[in-house]
Amino acid sequence: GIQVEQSPPDLILQEGANSTLRCNFSDSVNNLQWFHQNPWGQLINLFYIPSGTKQNGRLSATTVATERYSLLYISSSQTTDSGVYFCAVSYGNKLVFGAGTILRVKS
Amino acid sequence: KAGVTQTPRYLIKTRGQQVTLSCSPISGHRSVSWYQQTPGQGLQFLFEYFSETQRNKGNFPGRFSGRQFSNSRSEMNVSTLELGDSALYLCASSLAPSGGNEQFFGPGTRLTVL
Repeated sequence: GIQVEQSPPDLILQEGANSTLRCNFSDSVNNLQWFHQNPWGQLINLFYIPSGTKQNGRLSATTVATERYSLLYISSSQTTDSGVYFCAVSYGNKLVFGAGTILRVKS
Repeated sequence: KAGVTQTPRYLIKTRGQQVTLSCSPISGHRSVSWYQQTPGQGLQFLFEYFSETQRNKGNFPGRFSGRQFSNSRSEMNVSTLELGDSALYLCASSLAPSGGNEQFFGPGTRLTVL
């Protein structure tokens, strides 16, 4: 099956810093989504991005489907950005998730 | 528009018991998928239902089953609970079968098996 790898596994930032999270996948996919898991466990949709670039406030994402990777950019990080970020690819009628990146933003 | 709802939010059971979890999708969404999240295995796909039919099933034993009703609400059942079934169970809804369609997740049901 498909492999989805996220890097880095852990990231500690000072408030106000910028960061880039990466998602690599091993096969062609129908779609890709980025999620933020809040402290209560709910997955919050960030981006639905099969290809190209999208921006939403301080967050943006780029997927290069031909090269099988996606990047999530977080600018001017805030403590509320802390949590786990997952990318998930749509493959064979299901979402396959990466292991996540744990982000800690310190004030 | 209301989001995906799941009930109950927390559940404690003992080994050998069975449990039923419920998921109501976003209004108008007809596809419901279920995922299990554990610290060791991460997020894993359980099954997907669309128009009351199971379309896809993950690599889980037969103790895990589900169904979907005509109003698109879905239930999953786990029989003969084992300690390893302790997990966060998440359901997701999408407009159409999930392949390629954006999925939206509920808050999850946290199951503890003692």
